[in-house]
Amino acid sequence: QVQLIQSGAEVKKPGASVKVSCKVSGYTLTALSMHWVRQAPGKGLEWMGGFDPEEGETVSAQKFQGRVTMTEDLSTDTAYMELRSLRSEDTAVYYCATRVRGGVFDPWGQGTLVTVSS
Amino acid sequence: AIQLTQSPSSLSASVGDRVTITCRASQGISNALAWYQQRPGKAPKLLIFDASSLESGVPSRFSGSGSGTDFALTISSLQPEDFATYFCQQFYIKPFTFGPGTQVDIK
Repeated sequence: QVQLIQSGAEVKKPGASVKVSCKVSGYTLTALSMHWVRQAPGKGLEWMGGFDPEEGETVSAQKFQGRVTMTEDLSTDTAYMELRSLRSEDTAVYYCATRVRGGVFDPWGQGTLVTVSS
Repeated sequence: AIQLTQSPSSLSASVGDRVTITCRASQGISNALAWYQQRPGKAPKLLIFDASSLESGVPSRFSGSGSGTDFALTISSLQPEDFATYFCQQFYIKPFTFGPGTQVDIK
């Protein structure tokens, strides 16, 4: 059974970067398609991007292109999402989730709250 | 990007009620739609995939229907643990998008 364990909450200043980790247990990361979804306080869910097995590479939503980097450390089965040039609107809970059955997300990590504040 | 709208945005219901939430896509997405349940402070949980397929372990009181642009999630008999927010998600084309959510509260 796949479990995703994320790193703890972060507080960052505007303009800084944040790197969130997502450790896989019960499976190997190489067999998974890891994605990232965020949720601003009291708001809906927003897909950021992830590994696309059809294209064989990581793809990201246009909104985040140039500002987000998603990487994987296969030796530790850990995925990372780095978001740069943070602004207050980036304050959100960031989730990792595995993409299965064509495009649904299951399971999800527990979420990491990133607060951007001066 | 494909836009998803949900209605209602919130509803109040009692235990035992039958509840239906609808999701409409801005263009046809075949059956590439999923439903998630999110309880406060928790991650979303997959309920339905491919518009009408029940995820393993999800109670049979949950069901999904629809194809093309119009979809529905029905809870046949609302239970106390079902009070939560429900989101639809399309995976027909990238970017994957989610509906704004429907909050189900206790009447």
